[in-house]
Amino acid sequence: EVQLVESGGGLVQPGGTLRLSCAASGFTFSSYEMNWVRQAPGKGLEWVSYISSSGSTIYYADSVKGRFTISRDNAKNSLYLQMSSLRAEDTAVYYCARDCRSGSTHDAYDMWGQGTMVTVSS
Amino acid sequence: AIRITQSPSSLSASTGDRVTITCRASQDISSYLAWYQQKPGIAPKLLIYAASTLQSGVPSRFSGSGSGTDFTLTISCLQSEDFATYYCQQYYDYPRGFGGGTKVEIK
Repeated sequence: EVQLVESGGGLVQPGGTLRLSCAASGFTFSSYEMNWVRQAPGKGLEWVSYISSSGSTIYYADSVKGRFTISRDNAKNSLYLQMSSLRAEDTAVYYCARDCRSGSTHDAYDMWGQGTMVTVSS
Repeated sequence: AIRITQSPSSLSASTGDRVTITCRASQDISSYLAWYQQKPGIAPKLLIYAASTLQSGVPSRFSGSGSGTDFTLTISCLQSEDFATYYCQQYYDYPRGFGGGTKVEIK
């Protein structure tokens, strides 16, 4: 089955760290660009980060730049988001999402995980 | 950063109605615009990409139009399963941006 499954969410104190994972299956993970998108409770979607298929190109939203690090392990079919210096405003459901077509520089997201909840609170 | 303005933020409609949602980009994004549907507690689902191309498996009552800065999502005959929140997204440049969403509710 073609799917993305996130894990690693939970409750963390302000200033803390957390590492999210996204396990891919059913497709050639190493060929696809990947993204993290988040959604605060009751709010809209916010793009967080992008990583190219090889990992050589990375982009971040200004709101997380310098605090979050995206990475991938193509041998393990996995995407990661290392989050540090967490703030209350980082509280959200975090989704991993796949670009529609491998190798494209302009693409929508055709596959999404179920999401993992991150709560930043003392 | 490219700003995406989506309207309306919510609307009430009845089954069978024709519904139109618009998105405006703050600069020319060609046709690099997608539309997503999201139901409560579920991940977004891609409906339309490249402004007007229907994603595989999406019913033909959904259609998209526009290019440059102005885009439209139309649901030609609203069905019960279409009550949801809809988002547009530009993928012309980074940072990627989403519209604020349009919640389609039952009248």
